[in-house]
Amino acid sequence: GAGVSQSPSNKVTEKGKDVELRCDPISGHTALYWYRQSLGQGLEFLIYFQGNSAPDKSGLPSDRFSAERTGGSVSTLTIQRTQQEDSAVYLCASSSGPGLAGGKETQYFGPGTRLLVL
Amino acid sequence: GQQVMQIPQYQHVQEGEDFTTYCNSSTTLSNIQWYKQRPGGHPVFLIQLVKSGEVKKQKRLTFQFGEAKKNSSLHITATQTTDVGTYFCAGLMDSNYQLIWGAGTKLIIKP
Repeated sequence: GAGVSQSPSNKVTEKGKDVELRCDPISGHTALYWYRQSLGQGLEFLIYFQGNSAPDKSGLPSDRFSAERTGGSVSTLTIQRTQQEDSAVYLCASSSGPGLAGGKETQYFGPGTRLLVL
Repeated sequence: GQQVMQIPQYQHVQEGEDFTTYCNSSTTLSNIQWYKQRPGGHPVFLIQLVKSGEVKKQKRLTFQFGEAKKNSSLHITATQTTDVGTYFCAGLMDSNYQLIWGAGTKLIIKP
C-alpha cells in the first residue's frame, strides 16, 4: 500500500476486556515497530520486529501485552484484561530495515489507534 | 540501558523568535533522525544525519550532528505558526538497528 495503515482508528472498551490492534506496514518493509503515546507525552517503545529474527519485546509494559507478526507483514498487538492506564494512542511504524546508512531506517508511521479504556 | 535525552520538554516562543532543541545520547550513534509531530497527528520524518559533524539545512531549519556522534540539535530560525508541534530526535544504535527516541520538545507559539 501507499503507507502504513492501522485499524481500528478508535477503540473504546471496558476495563478487563481484551483488544486487538492491527498494523499493515508498507509492502516490502522488513522492520515493524509498535509504540504507545499517552496524551501530550513522547513515544514509548513497545516491540520491534525485524525480518525473521526474534522480536525485541523489551518495551512491553506487562505480560498482558503481546504482539505477533504473521508472514513478515501484518502485525497484531493484543492487550489482555485492559486497564484504564492502557488508554493511549498506539502507533505502528515500519521501515525498510537495516542496511547501509542511506535512509533505510527511516520510520513511516501509521495514523495510530486511539484506545480508551473505561 | 541506551538512552537519548532531549531538552527542553517545552519551549514557548513569540512568532518570529528562534527555537532550538537538543539531543544527547549515552552511546555513539550510527545516525540520528528528526521527526515532527503536529498536534493530533503522527510523527513524520524530517531528516537523517549520518556523518560526524554533519550540518544540514531545510529552509529555516538547521540540523547538526556532533563530532562524537552522540549529540544533535535542531534550530528553527524565525518561527512561524506552521512550525507548531513536537520535534523528536531518534538515534539509531549499531547493535540492533533499533531507533531510540528522545522524549520530544514541544514548540508553542505564544498568542
